[in-house]
Amino acid sequence: QVQLQESGPGLVKPSETLSLTCTVSGGSVSSNNYYWNWIRQPPGKGLEWIGYVFYTGSTDFNPSLKSRVTMSMDTSKNQFSLKLSSVTAADTAIYYCARSSLGASFHRYWGQGTLVTVSS
Amino acid sequence: DIQMTQSPSTLSASIGDRVTITCRATQSITNWLAWYQQKLGEAPNLLIYKASTLESGVPSRFSGGGSGTEFTLTISSLQPDDFTTYYCQQYYSFPLSFGGGTKVEIK
Repeated sequence: QVQLQESGPGLVKPSETLSLTCTVSGGSVSSNNYYWNWIRQPPGKGLEWIGYVFYTGSTDFNPSLKSRVTMSMDTSKNQFSLKLSSVTAADTAIYYCARSSLGASFHRYWGQGTLVTVSS
Repeated sequence: DIQMTQSPSTLSASIGDRVTITCRATQSITNWLAWYQQKLGEAPNLLIYKASTLESGVPSRFSGGGSGTEFTLTISSLQPDDFTTYYCQQYYSFPLSFGGGTKVEIK
């Protein structure tokens, strides 16, 4: 059974960079069958897809965030990561990592989510 | 980009009721649509994909339908565990997008 677990600081100051890592167990991030995604949810609001990273290192991002997002993969640790720069209070959200399949990008497996608050 | 709109945003119903949630896309997504259930404090849980395929382990009272731009999620007989929030998601093209959510509450 695939499991994902987000980790990272729960508090980030405005204008700084949010950094999160997702550790995968029960499956390999090196698989050529899956996209590894980040999705966020502001408190009490809906879901927003941030982007994905593929095992080759290729990425695709939501245009609304593209200028501030970086994603990468560490296959030796079976992890993938998100960096979001120049954060504001509007970036306060629960951040989820999730796996989707090539050619069918719905999300069967999700992490439990981690709340990141942007505040000074 | 494809926008997804769910209706209603809130639905009041009783145990045993049949309820239907609608999701509309701004362009055809054929049948590349998923439905999720999200309980408070938890990650979304996949219910249905490819518009009408029930995910393994999901009760048969859940069903999905539609194609093109209009889709439905139907719960045939509401159970206490079903009073929570539901989201649709299109995966026809990137960027992926979700509907705004429908909260099913007890009448």
